[in-house]
Parts: sequence; structure tokens; C-alpha cells
Amino acid sequence: DAGVTQTPRHEVAEKGQTIILKCEPVSGHNDLFWYRQTKIQGLELLSYFRSKSLMEDGGAFKDRFKAEMLNSSFSTLKIQPTEPKDSAVYLCASSSRTGGALEQYFGPGTRLTVL
Amino acid sequence: SQLAEENSWALSVHEGESVTVNCSYKTSITALQWYRQKSGKGPAQLILIRSNEREKRNGRLRATLDTSSQSSSLSITATRCEDTAVYFCASTGGYKVVFGSGTRLLVSP
Repeated sequence: DAGVTQTPRHEVAEKGQTIILKCEPVSGHNDLFWYRQTKIQGLELLSYFRSKSLMEDGGAFKDRFKAEMLNSSFSTLKIQPTEPKDSAVYLCASSSRTGGALEQYFGPGTRLTVL
Repeated sequence: SQLAEENSWALSVHEGESVTVNCSYKTSITALQWYRQKSGKGPAQLILIRSNEREKRNGRLRATLDTSSQSSSLSITATRCEDTAVYFCASTGGYKVVFGSGTRLLVSP
């Protein structure tokens, strides 16, 4: 079975650009999470979808970050406009309805560098 | 501030030795999860220990949970070089998972 897929694996953007990161969850999973990982802040939750409904919009992140669940098997995270402080690894995770937050499967992440 | 925190930033052991990573958390939890993240990969869950459990094992791994002191530990016995990774504890309440900053474990031959 395929795990969580994230593309691209690496992204380099100029300050002010718009970037879109993509995630395909494990087939059949209902829940999808986006996280940001940095050395200083660690893993921070950006968004959480349950059956395509947005349950968590990331609080402090929501002004320039927008996650969407286009269908049950595809999600995007848009950052607009990018800033150098957005440089981080962006992780997508999915889980089943019964697993929820207790059984998340993570993708390999997208490493974003903003110049 | 971190609501879940490992107590050591880095640990180093030789293959075959045992090692323990400790974690403290600050909120009431549904469960405490231990994850491992290898270089270039996403975190992978090792053990899930629910709030009404005191100990859980998975092969060479053993996790304990003390809800009175809000602490947990992950022990690895007979370590191998492939155990080299960052280990996170994560406190869970509802859909929120709060990860600690991680402990880097280096297992050398």
C-alpha cells in the first residue's frame, strides 16, 4: 500500500512568491493534517481536515497559509506571499476515522527554502 | 511554550547498550505517543500509550506513563545503529497532538 505522498520534496522560492505544496493521503483515510517543522519551534499544526471539512485553520498561520482538501485523496497547502521565516519542512499526515490523532501516518515532507 | 518536552537534547550510546528518553507534558491527555524520525523522513509512530495504561511494549521498545507526575519514558534495549534518529514524545487530547522538540539519539558501532 502506498503511504502518504508529498510533492515536491524540495522547493526554493523568492520572497513574495506564491507556492503550493501537495499531499496525497493514504487511500481510504478520512483525516488529514498539515504541520510545519523547524529546528526552533519543532512540529506545529497548521491545518486539520476531517472528511474534507476544515476543523483547524492554524490560528496564527491562517493569514498567509491556506490548506484545501480538493477531494478525499488530494490536499494542497498554499503559502502566499512567502517570507524567509517560512523556510521549514512541511509535513502532511493522514489517519483513518477510527485512528484520528492517535494514528497518524506522515509523508516525507517538503523542504521549503525562501530566499 | 512547549506542552510536551523531552528531557535531553541528545544522547549517544554504543550498539547493544540500552537507553531511555524521558518526556514531561503539561496538559491532561487522552494518550501519549512516541515517534521516531530518521533523516529525510517524516515521523513514524513507535508506541501509543493511553492515559489509563501504565506501560506498553513493542519489541525492543518499552514506554511508561505516569499521569500523576505527567511524565513518560521510552526505553530501547539492545540498541542498533539503525535506531539512530530523533525521538519525539507527543501529548494528545482530542485531535490536537503537541510534539516535544525531540531527542537526538546516536547509536555508534
